[in-house]
Amino acid sequence: QVLLVESGGGVVQPGRSLRLSCEASGFTFSSYAMHWVRQAPGKGLEWMALISYDGSSKYYADSVRGRFTISRDDSKNTLYLQMNSLRAEDTAVYYCAREGRKYGGRYYFDYWGQGTLVTVSS
Amino acid sequence: QSALTQPASVSGSPGQPITISCTGTSSDVGGHNYVSWYQQHPGKAPKLMIYEVSNRPSGVSNRFSGSKSGNTASLTISGLQAEDEADYYCSSYTSSDTLVVFGRGTKLTVL
Repeated sequence: QVLLVESGGGVVQPGRSLRLSCEASGFTFSSYAMHWVRQAPGKGLEWMALISYDGSSKYYADSVRGRFTISRDDSKNTLYLQMNSLRAEDTAVYYCAREGRKYGGRYYFDYWGQGTLVTVSS
Repeated sequence: QSALTQPASVSGSPGQPITISCTGTSSDVGGHNYVSWYQQHPGKAPKLMIYEVSNRPSGVSNRFSGSKSGNTASLTISGLQAEDEADYYCSSYTSSDTLVVFGRGTKLTVL
């Protein structure tokens, strides 16, 4: 079965960096576009970033463009989110999610990880 | 890019139908058929309920249906059940730089 497991969350000071990982299993990882979506405590969902199935295209939300970088390592079936210059408003649960159709271009998420909490605080 | 507009809360009695609206613009909901809906129970990850406006993934109850008219998409749940009580979010592709936008979420209460 499809499984997505995030890791790497924790408490970090403002201005510092953190890298999240999402290990995928149960499907051909290299055939799917992948996304990061976050949810601040008590708030709604916010789309963060997309990487195409082949890694050639990357897109970001305005709020993180220039600070966050999405990447993938298909040899390890793992998706990453490098987060730099973290701010208090980046505090959230971060979910990785699989796009619902092979090779992408459909912009919906059929499988989600359990999420990893990032807290930015001094 | 602004979030899509959803009612903050809706409620209904068991067995009754309810509809949740999701209003955007011609750049997102109105301009593309990439509208999806997600159910989220407290402390859990979101679950896909509807994709591409009106398609239901396998395993999702046929009590859930989706539609769209102009810039507004809708999720209808027929025959409410206690386990339907959750937060619901709509999402759409957008032709802006942001690419994907969510609604602010609707809390469904089953009375």
